[in-house]
Amino acid sequence: AQKVTQAQTEISVVEKEDVTLDCVYETRDTTYYLFWYKQPPSGELVFLIRRNSFDEQNEISGRYSWNFQKSTSSFNFTITASQVVDSAVYFCALSPPYGQNFVFGPGTRLSVLP
Amino acid sequence: GAVVSQHPSWVICKSGTSVKIECRSLDFQATTMFWYRQFPKQSLMLMATSNEGSKATYEQGVEKDKFLINHASLTLSTLTVTSAHPEDSSFYICSASDQSAAYEQYFGPGTRLTVT
Repeated sequence: AQKVTQAQTEISVVEKEDVTLDCVYETRDTTYYLFWYKQPPSGELVFLIRRNSFDEQNEISGRYSWNFQKSTSSFNFTITASQVVDSAVYFCALSPPYGQNFVFGPGTRLSVLP
Repeated sequence: GAVVSQHPSWVICKSGTSVKIECRSLDFQATTMFWYRQFPKQSLMLMATSNEGSKATYEQGVEKDKFLINHASLTLSTLTVTSAHPEDSSFYICSASDQSAAYEQYFGPGTRLTVT
């Protein structure tokens, strides 16, 4: 069975602080994809990143960075110098290959205070 | 990038009525679409997998006679909530898989259903 755990239900930080959102996954597949999505109050999911299970390179995109550690089944997301606009619910998700359904984690609600 | 649309974006209906939600892939063909449901402050849960030209596959606990899914073309899947009740009020999100792009999946913007 596949499962995604996001242990942090809610996080509050003050603007300009760095924050890391944790994600731990379980799967028996050898090939899979990991994702992070942002869900602002409007509800629409905003795609942030997709990572193939064979690619363990960390990735940086502006203030966002991701740390994929296959050995610990973790795919953590760090926002550097957080901004109020980063306030949202963030979901980590897991998907087998070949267009199958996603399994979402419970989400982490991030509040960035001015 | 590929776009998936949903219509309507929000709908209010009375208890006992039916409501149809459309999910369209605008610039690609999707043999498979997925329907998710999200209750307030909860995560997205898969309801069903919609396959073009065949019956949908429902997740355990989802009533197929209540949530009718039709995937009549490669760009359109519909979800009909029949005899809606207040407990069906939720945010419904679809996704579509683009087979021609390594099965990349794209999510629709969601439909907020309120049953009064």
